[in-house]
Parts: sequence; C-alpha cells; structure tokens
Amino acid sequence: KAGVTQTPRYLIKTRGQQVTLSCSPISGHRSVSWYQQTPGQGLQFLFEYFSETQRNKGNFPGRFSGRQFSNSRSEMNVSTLELGDSALYLCASSLGTTIYFGEGSWLTVV
Amino acid sequence: DQQVKQNSPSLSVQEGRISILNCDYTNSMFDYFLWYKKYPAEGPTFLISISSIKDKNEDGRFTVFLNKSAKHLSLHIVPSQPGDSAVYFCAASGGYSGAGSYQLTFGKGTKLSVIP
Repeated sequence: KAGVTQTPRYLIKTRGQQVTLSCSPISGHRSVSWYQQTPGQGLQFLFEYFSETQRNKGNFPGRFSGRQFSNSRSEMNVSTLELGDSALYLCASSLGTTIYFGEGSWLTVV
Repeated sequence: DQQVKQNSPSLSVQEGRISILNCDYTNSMFDYFLWYKKYPAEGPTFLISISSIKDKNEDGRFTVFLNKSAKHLSLHIVPSQPGDSAVYFCAASGGYSGAGSYQLTFGKGTKLSVIP
C-alpha cells in the first residue's frame, strides 16, 4: 500500500513569489492535514481537510491556504513568500486517530 | 505556551540497553498520544500510540506508558539498536477537536543516539 506522497521534494523560491505543494494521501484516507517544521518552532499544524472542506486551521497567516479535491488529494499554497517560510512542509493523512506522514517538501526561500 | 514538552533534547544509550524517552503535557483535553521517529529532511514515521483509556501499549521493542494523573508519558525501547538513532517526537491529540478533526500538537523532540 503506497504511503503519503508529496511533490516536489525540494524547491527554491524567491521572496515575494508563491508556491504550491501537492499531496496524495494513502488510498482510502479522507483526512489530509499539513504541518510546517522549522528549527525554531518545531512541527506546527497548518490546516486539515476532510471531504474537500477545511475542518481545522492552525495559527498561520492568510498567505497559507489549501484545498482538497474530490479524490482526497490536497494542495497547499503559500503566497508572497517570506524568508521565514523556509521550512519542511509535511502532509499527513488519516482514517482515524493515527496520522501518517509523507516525506515532506523542503522549501527554501531566498 | 508549550502544551507538549520533551525536556531532554538528547539522549545517549548503549546498544542493547533500554532507552526511555519522556514527554509531559499540560492540556487535559488531550486524549490520544503518539510517538514518531524522524530523520532529518524526512517525514515522521509513526511508531506507537496510546489512548487515554489505557496506561500501557506494547508493540515489539516499543512500549508506551501513560500516567494521566501526572500528565506524563514515556516511550521505552528495549533492546536499543543503532538503527534506532533518530529524533523522537511525542505528539498529542484532543481527539474530536471540531467535527472529528485530529490535530496533533508536537513536542520539540529528543535526539536518541544508540552507541554500538
């Protein structure tokens, strides 16, 4: 059974640009959530989607957004990138209480 | 305000011995706890979990203990192997936090080094 798949794995963007990250959950999982990991703040919850609806949102500015498609695949977008947005962005999927993570997308903003 | 705390940033253990990683939490609403293992620039790998109705859960070499009154949990790895060297994260969930949403709150992690 394939795990959570994230693309791209690595990317470099310039300050002010926008970026879109993609996530394919484990087959059958309908909940997809996103987390940001930085050295200073650790792993922090961004938002969670279920059946194409955002169910929960963390404490991040409106520049961070996401969506989920009817096949449960999800994308997250960060607009007007700042240097501080450099981080590992992790997608996770779940059926219930156990949450499984993908390998992450490493974003560097220069 | 850190709701999940892993007070030991690092831990070194001899191969074959027991590794004990600790985690404390402050939010009484947390009712499900998970441990993840993580290598740099990779996603966390789920290890083991425990719900608040239990005080112990075992899976192979990994055992998690939960002390609800102390708001404390620990992960025991016996015997420790060099391949266990990684950063271990404790995470907590409030279960149904808004229409069935499972949001994880993570500790800062403990770097475990198992010395051959």
